[in-house]
Amino acid sequence: DARVTQTPRDKVTEMGQEVTMRCQPILGHNTVFWYRQTMMQGLELLAYFRNRAPLDDSGMPKDRFSAEMPDATLATLKIQPSEPRDSAVYFCASGLGGGGNYNEQFFGPGTRLTVL
Amino acid sequence: GDSVTQMEGPVTLSEEAFLTINCTYTATGYPSLFWYVQYPGEGLQLLLKATKADDKGSNKGFEATYRKETTSFHLEKGSVQVSDSAVYFCALRSQAGTALIFGKGTTLSVSS
Repeated sequence: DARVTQTPRDKVTEMGQEVTMRCQPILGHNTVFWYRQTMMQGLELLAYFRNRAPLDDSGMPKDRFSAEMPDATLATLKIQPSEPRDSAVYFCASGLGGGGNYNEQFFGPGTRLTVL
Repeated sequence: GDSVTQMEGPVTLSEEAFLTINCTYTATGYPSLFWYVQYPGEGLQLLLKATKADDKGSNKGFEATYRKETTSFHLEKGSVQVSDSAVYFCALRSQAGTALIFGKGTTLSVSS
């Protein structure tokens, strides 16, 4: 049963600390998305990659957030320095895309981040 | 820009009641429309989708019809179960886009 995995599931940190969230997409999927979910804003797209190249990161605060795909099996989202307003659940999703076709996005269980 | 508006929750129903969760959208062209469901502590799962006008998506007793004339994609189920308690998200993917744009979500609580 192929699934998107995310680590850690929960993270509590103090303001100013660096936070790294990891995602393992489903094997063979070439598109990876990062979303953030908060009560106030709902689900927002932060960034997405296709074939490991960033296609859109316009939803991400550039001064403190960075997203990378070191290889096809790992996507990372880093916040440095973290702030209390970054507290949210961060979801990774993967899918197959490109060539005008769309397939389902499969979501991971999320990382719940609390910045004190 | 493109957006999705869905009814505010929570929606509280008794088992076997009829469910409607309203969803309307704003988008240029012909977006694809989706309903996702999120159970407590889990990620989102695709419930159903429709990719063109008048298409009806259906799954697990849930249905939604893509209405271009009213820009709507309302979710319905004839008889809800306690196990349907979850948060439901309406979403669209623009005709030229890849990423999803989500509504704020509607919490459904079903009691026995």
